[in-house]
Amino acid sequence: KAGVTQTPRYLIKTRGQQVTLSCSPISGHRSVSWYQQTPGQGLQFLFEYFSETQRNKGNFPGRFSGRQFSNSRSEMNVSTLELGDSALYLCASSMDTTPAEAFFGQGTRLTVV
Amino acid sequence: QKEVEQNSGPLSVPEGAIASLNCTYSDRGSQSFFWYRQYSGKSPELIMSIYSNGDKEDGRFTAQLNKASQYVSLLIRDSQPSDSATYLCAAFTSGTYKYIFGTGTRLKVLA
Repeated sequence: KAGVTQTPRYLIKTRGQQVTLSCSPISGHRSVSWYQQTPGQGLQFLFEYFSETQRNKGNFPGRFSGRQFSNSRSEMNVSTLELGDSALYLCASSMDTTPAEAFFGQGTRLTVV
Repeated sequence: QKEVEQNSGPLSVPEGAIASLNCTYSDRGSQSFFWYRQYSGKSPELIMSIYSNGDKEDGRFTAQLNKASQYVSLLIRDSQPSDSATYLCAAFTSGTYKYIFGTGTRLKVLA
């Protein structure tokens, strides 16, 4: 069974640019959540999607947005990149059950210069 | 106040010893708890999940949950150098659809 797939694995962008990251969940998983991981802040919740609906959003500025498609694949977008957006962006998928074990993709390492 | 707290470590144990990792959480509505292992430069890997008070064992790993004390722990028996990693504790509250992570405990198993 294939795991969670994130693309691209690495990105280097310039301040002010925008970026789109992609996440394909495990087959059958309809919940997709996104996290930002930095050395100082640990894993911070960005948002969660289920059946193309955002069910929760973390405390990030509006420059961070996401969406989910009918096949459960998800994308997140960051506009007007800032140096502080440099981080590992992780996507996790789970079944919408309780308990809900979440499985992470390999992440996208974003560097803003 | 952090919602899930862990000692950052490093926690150093000799090879073959038991490593004990601890975590406390503040939201009494949290229902499910998870331990992830993260090697440097890699993504978190799920090790254990626990939802009921008591112990849950899986191979060398035992997770313990005490909801009254809002305390979760992970015991690693017969620790190996390959267990050296950062261990993340996470709490999930149904209805919020998000996992709250601690900042992790770095474990070093000395050969």
